Amino acid sequence: RKEVEQDPGPFNVPEGATVAFNCTYSNSASQSFFWYRQDCRKEPKLLMSVYSSGNEDGRFTAQLNRASQYISLLIRDSKLSDSATYLCVVKRSGGSYIPTFGRGTSLIVHP
Amino acid sequence: SQTIHQWPATLVQPVGSPLSLECTVEGTSNPNLYWYRQAAGRGLQLLFYSVGIGQISSEVPQNLSASRPQDRQFILSSKKLLLSDSGFYLCAGGMGTEAFFGQGTRLTVV
Repeated sequence: RKEVEQDPGPFNVPEGATVAFNCTYSNSASQSFFWYRQDCRKEPKLLMSVYSSGNEDGRFTAQLNRASQYISLLIRDSKLSDSATYLCVVKRSGGSYIPTFGRGTSLIVHP
Repeated sequence: SQTIHQWPATLVQPVGSPLSLECTVEGTSNPNLYWYRQAAGRGLQLLFYSVGIGQISSEVPQNLSASRPQDRQFILSSKKLLLSDSGFYLCAGGMGTEAFFGQGTRLTVV
């Protein structure tokens, strides 16, 4: 089983739609969780951290379920500019922080 | 703010040639540093990480090596490139929280 798993998609949605991505992780000792965004042929950039209580940043909501070992990202009112690949990142703990990336979920928002 | 400088942006190298990619960090001291590779249409694979000068951990056996001669310098090398070394190479840094990335080097081995 891969350490971090995501549905690669693509998710093809119209502008204004709400879309949700899930990500599962295998290491129950993982402590830090993030969502990154990667545009085509560019480096990943931090979108938001994921906190145990859930957190929101504008149209984006991230949630963590430690019992089931998954995190989610919800995007409301999708914009064309949201089209990108969304990477789930889990950091191992115990000594060195090692960011482990999921394969990414591709989102295409169309007019 | 923390910044990763990585160069070159693109590189085309023949099979069997050597490789040296350099990454430098600004805005922080003693960061953890990472080299990732992303093959076309694939996720990021961690190649090496370093928690300090001269300290290198390898995640996967391969044709590459890494060195950290200075606190803010991380180098990825190969003595002889293979076709399978082609990919998008990303240097990243972190201080125990989120990782921040350089702009990446797109390597094509021909």
